[in-house]
Amino acid sequence: EDQVTQSPEALRLQEGESSSLNCSYTVSGLRGLFWYRQDPGKGPEFLFTLYSAGEEKEKERLKATLTKKESFLHITAPKPEDSATYLCAVLNQAGTALIFGKGTTLSVSS
Amino acid sequence: NAGVTQTPKFQVLKTGQSMTLQCAQDMNHNSMYWYRQDPGMGLRLIYYSASEGTTDKGEVPNGYNVSRLNKREFSLRLESAAPSQTSVYFCASSESMVKPGAFFGQGTRLTVV
Repeated sequence: EDQVTQSPEALRLQEGESSSLNCSYTVSGLRGLFWYRQDPGKGPEFLFTLYSAGEEKEKERLKATLTKKESFLHITAPKPEDSATYLCAVLNQAGTALIFGKGTTLSVSS
Repeated sequence: NAGVTQTPKFQVLKTGQSMTLQCAQDMNHNSMYWYRQDPGMGLRLIYYSASEGTTDKGEVPNGYNVSRLNKREFSLRLESAAPSQTSVYFCASSESMVKPGAFFGQGTRLTVV
């Protein structure tokens, strides 16, 4: 069964305190792993797509990496505006739908 | 530059009532999706339309119907609302099923009492 598990469920950081969010997945033949950011009351906002192990993508203070079993979203020197829920998803084996994890809620305090 | 637009943003229904959630995208995307998001459950796919003229069931289709009216518009209908359908509904679109990095609308918060 295609499955995505994110950890931790919630993460509290001080401004400037770097950390990583984890997304582990089980799907036969990965066709793509996706990271989204979701602010309260808003729809998910697309961040990155990763396709193969070893691939990395960066955007401002965020860097996403991919291995054969998991992906990490590294947050370097976070700011309060980085506070949000971060969602990970994989394309299912049939290639017809995104399977989402439950997300990690990040809170960054100044 | 609207992206994906959903209407309404909020709705309260009584059990047994029907309603249609509207979605339109202006990015010339081929594929469109309807998801629901519930606390502790994550986003789950209800229905999708790979291209104009086609629709298929997702993970949780029971109690819903969809219509791909044209390339821009994809509506979701609840024929007889139930309290279990209380949720936040998101419409999304993508270039194609091969490139599913979807763009999401702002959501419709539906409460069924």
